[in-house]
Amino acid sequence: AQKVTQAQTEISVVEKEDVTLDCVYETRDTTYYLFWYKQPPSGELVFLIRRNSFDEQNEISGRYSWNFQKSTSSFNFTITASQVVDSAVYFCALSINAGNMLTFGGGTRLMVKP
Amino acid sequence: DAGVIQSPRHEVTEMGQEVTLRCKPISGHDYLFWYRQTMMRGLELLIYFNNNVPIDDSGMPEDRFSAKMPNASFSTLKIQPSEPRDSAVYFCASSLARPGVSPYNEQFFGPGTRLTVL
Repeated sequence: AQKVTQAQTEISVVEKEDVTLDCVYETRDTTYYLFWYKQPPSGELVFLIRRNSFDEQNEISGRYSWNFQKSTSSFNFTITASQVVDSAVYFCALSINAGNMLTFGGGTRLMVKP
Repeated sequence: DAGVIQSPRHEVTEMGQEVTLRCKPISGHDYLFWYRQTMMRGLELLIYFNNNVPIDDSGMPEDRFSAKMPNASFSTLKIQPSEPRDSAVYFCASSLARPGVSPYNEQFFGPGTRLTVL
């Protein structure tokens, strides 16, 4: 069985601070996919990134960056120079097969204060 | 592309009534998923289809829940009879999972249906 743990249930930062959201996963499969989704107050789920288990390269997209470390089964997400619009619940998720179901973590609520 | 479409966006019903939630996946996608989000249990998969065939319904809470996908462009999730504990946001998602085709394996979510059972 798969499991995703987001130990931080809630984080509060002041605008322009950097913040890292932690994600730890468990799976016995050697091929898997990791995801981050954003859920703003409006409620929709917005895809942010997908990572394959065989690609450990870190990724940067604007103010967002992701650190994938198989050795510690972690896929952490960092927002640099946070903004109020970053306030949302962020979910880390795991899929063991292409197109297969997502197992979600419990989510981290990020509040960015002006 | 219009994205995944769900209807209704909000549903308020009384206990014991039948509720039908609808989903139109993104055209060409071959997987369709139904998820439920509650404060207590977070986001959990209820059922998913591949090419209109149900693959895994182990997340369906009980026999009161049923889901169908009569064709590639439409799916329903039915609750009969509904109970207050069914109150949640129900998400439909679709994905295209063919190697070499982008965006491979990304699930696109609909806006959700907020169900309140009184």
